[in-house]
Amino acid sequence: NAGVTQTPKFQVLKTGQSMTLQCAQDMNHNSMYWYRQDPGMGLRLIYYSASEGTTDKGEVPNGYNVSRLNKREFSLRLESAAPSQTSVYFCASSDQGARETQYFGPGTRLLVL
Amino acid sequence: GNSVTQMEGPVTLSEEAFLTINCTYTATGYPSLFWYVQYPGEGLQLLLKATKADDKGSNKGFEATYRKETTSFHLEKGSVQVSDSAVYFCALSVSGGYNKLIFGAGTRLAVHP
Repeated sequence: NAGVTQTPKFQVLKTGQSMTLQCAQDMNHNSMYWYRQDPGMGLRLIYYSASEGTTDKGEVPNGYNVSRLNKREFSLRLESAAPSQTSVYFCASSDQGARETQYFGPGTRLLVL
Repeated sequence: GNSVTQMEGPVTLSEEAFLTINCTYTATGYPSLFWYVQYPGEGLQLLLKATKADDKGSNKGFEATYRKETTSFHLEKGSVQVSDSAVYFCALSVSGGYNKLIFGAGTRLAVHP
């Protein structure tokens, strides 16, 4: 099993450009999450999907959209990138909600110029 | 609100030294508590967890005890190795419906030979 995979690993964008971060899991998990990690701030939840067909805002959703394409895939879209969105983005999944162990992908490092 | 406070790093130790990383929390309800570890260039992975008061989580020589009276979940290891060098995150999840993980800011540990 590959676990949680993310693409791309690294991306440079110019302000105003758009892009989609891809995430897939092969553990048949119901719940999936997108976090951003900034120095000194731990991880902050952007959006989550408790189950296929549902998505909800987390702590810092502004400037992002998500799509739960199917049970395996959960994508994060930046419509108009801003320098404040420079960060490392992690996707995670869990079986039945946040009280269960979350499994993380390797991360996408995004630089917005 | 719910929050997690960790001791600031970096923590620098010599190999075989005793490790303590402090974690305290504020939560409504009855949280589950977690320690996640992030090795350089990787995503987070669960190190240990405890779901109720007085539970002790343990893994790879690390231990943490859920102390409700002091709202703490301190991470300890009796003898650290160079391979333990990583960033450690304390996190909580509160019961009652679907809830997110709330992370502390992380503590960087550097172990020298």
